[in-house]
Amino acid sequence: AQKVTQAQTEISVVEKEDVTLDCVYETRDTTYYLFWYKQPPSGELVFLIRRNSFDEQNEISGRYSWNFQKSTSSFNFTITASQVVDSAVYFCAPVTDSWGKLQFGAGTQVVVTP
Amino acid sequence: DAGVTQSPTHLIKTRGQHVTLRCSPISGHKSVSWYQQVLGQGPQFIFQYYEKEERGRGNFPDRFSARQFPNYSSELNVNALLLGDSALYLCASSFLGGGYNEQFFGPGTRLTVL
Repeated sequence: AQKVTQAQTEISVVEKEDVTLDCVYETRDTTYYLFWYKQPPSGELVFLIRRNSFDEQNEISGRYSWNFQKSTSSFNFTITASQVVDSAVYFCAPVTDSWGKLQFGAGTQVVVTP
Repeated sequence: DAGVTQSPTHLIKTRGQHVTLRCSPISGHKSVSWYQQVLGQGPQFIFQYYEKEERGRGNFPDRFSARQFPNYSSELNVNALLLGDSALYLCASSFLGGGYNEQFFGPGTRLTVL
């Protein structure tokens, strides 16, 4: 069975510091997609980044970047120069079937203080 | 263009009652999925519909049912409500039903069962 682990429950940083979130996805599948979502206090899930398992290159999109280490099935998501508006719960969610079913991790609460 | 819309925003019911939640996908999107998010946890997959056909069902009892209409909007029905059904119910839409496609979430319906 597939398992998604976000071991960090909460991360607190001061504005402008970088924040790195960890996600480990254990599966026998060799090809899959993984999404990151942000859930601010308002509750609405906001799509951030999509990544596939066969591309190990680091990727950067604005202040967001991420790194996939195939050997450990670990997806690290980094927010560079954090801002107060980045305060939210961040979820990693791999797709676990051909129709797009998302399996969410427990989430990591990020708190950015001025 | 409007995003995913859900109604109602909030709902209070008592145990044993029935509830219907509604979702309108982004215009042009043909796939709708439903997720349940209990406070402090990640969303859990309930159903996915594509072209009015059920394509996936999560580990939820038969009290939960859903359908998709010709205009691609969707309803989630829950019968014989239990206290444990109290949660945020999220609807997501995507253009197609495949795993590569980004899913866009609505603001959710917060259901409280007393």
